[in-house]
Amino acid sequence: DGGITQSPKYLFRKEGQNVTLSCEQNLNHDAMYWYRQDPGQGLRLIYYSQIVNDFQKGDIAEGYSVSREKKESFPLTVTSAQKNPTAFYLCASSDNRVRNQPQHFGDGTRLSIL
Amino acid sequence: AQRVTQPEKLLSVFKGAPVELKCNYSYSGSPELFWYVQYSRQRLQLLLRHISRESIKGFTADLNKGETSFHLKKPFAQEEDSAMYYCALSRSGNTGKLIFGQGTTLQVKP
Repeated sequence: DGGITQSPKYLFRKEGQNVTLSCEQNLNHDAMYWYRQDPGQGLRLIYYSQIVNDFQKGDIAEGYSVSREKKESFPLTVTSAQKNPTAFYLCASSDNRVRNQPQHFGDGTRLSIL
Repeated sequence: AQRVTQPEKLLSVFKGAPVELKCNYSYSGSPELFWYVQYSRQRLQLLLRHISRESIKGFTADLNKGETSFHLKKPFAQEEDSAMYYCALSRSGNTGKLIFGQGTTLQVKP
């Protein structure tokens, strides 16, 4: 069954701790994205990657980092520099070889502060 | 600045009533617009896109460049339409990046 898998579903972070959210896709998509979803604010883009070994900052990249060593994987690290990390995080991918292909989303990870 | 605005946080209608979820955008180039939907306990998924000019689940949306709007409409709402709806804009070019609106929760009452 093709799709995007995010793990874990729930994650708790202690003060000063970095945590990494996993995102894997088997859709053979080049482009991958990380969004943060907060109530009343819609989805805001954190980072995106259009190809392996390349990524760009989105609108709210401060306090986050990513890597794209494999086409299938785009992990997001929430660093201790992110002062308000409590949110729902969504990963998405799309086929960017053709214009305006839809983005496919995972189930999300809910991150909370302990 | 590029922006997508959905003015209603919550839209509540009775079954069989017409539905219009509003979306306005701000973008100087040629926008590509989408509606995404998230049903309860399901993933966010594409509902429709303006370039396809299609009707999905009875929903349609017309791009009005003069009014910079892309409102989502359905003549007769069904209970299963209850969900969170997001309007999204893709900038011209092929980056695939989307700008999302704040979302509107549609509640269809029996």
